[in-house]
Amino acid sequence: AQSVTQLGSHVSVSEGALVLLRCNYSSSVPPYLFWYVQYPNQGLQLLLKYTSAATLVKGINGFEAEFKKSETSFHLTKPSAHMSDAAEYFCAVGKAAGNKLTFGGGTRVLVKP
Amino acid sequence: EADIYQTPRYLVIGTGKKITLECSQTMGHDKMYWYQQDPGMELHLIHYSYGVNSTEKGDLSSESTVSRIRTEHFPLTLESARPSHTSQYLCASSESGRGVNEQFFGPGTRLTVL
Repeated sequence: AQSVTQLGSHVSVSEGALVLLRCNYSSSVPPYLFWYVQYPNQGLQLLLKYTSAATLVKGINGFEAEFKKSETSFHLTKPSAHMSDAAEYFCAVGKAAGNKLTFGGGTRVLVKP
Repeated sequence: EADIYQTPRYLVIGTGKKITLECSQTMGHDKMYWYQQDPGMELHLIHYSYGVNSTEKGDLSSESTVSRIRTEHFPLTLESARPSHTSQYLCASSESGRGVNEQFFGPGTRLTVL
């Protein structure tokens, strides 16, 4: 069975500071990993996706994530936070059979001016 | 423009009523999904479909039912709404093919059952 753990349900950062959101996964097969962002009262939008082509994955809005197999991690970072980054972020692991995703509990990001 | 739509966006209804949440996509995707999301919590898959006339239950048990008569349409029905059904319901779709493909999400329906 696959699972995802996101450490920290809430993260507060200052505008311009580094954003680091942690995600650890459990998967019996090479994983497909995703980060999604959800703004208030909206659906989820894909930030980036890992498919084993490269361990460092660049996404939209300046976000990137690094796949570390030895640590079973897929942490999301952005060098400089912007006020518009305030949202909820979800890490997910995918299973090829059925194209089903298992989501983590989410991390809500607050950006302070 | 290719997109995925959900209606209504917000619904407040009394206990015992029958409701249908609509989901339509214009992306030509074969696969569609329904998720349930409580405030501040993760998404739980409640139904999915591989194509027309194909529906499966997801990981979280739900009293809702779904149908897939047309590729673009994947409605969710609750025969008798209860307060425990209060939640946000998100619809998604994805392409078929190798590997795990991105799921595209609709804006969600926030359901409140009084």
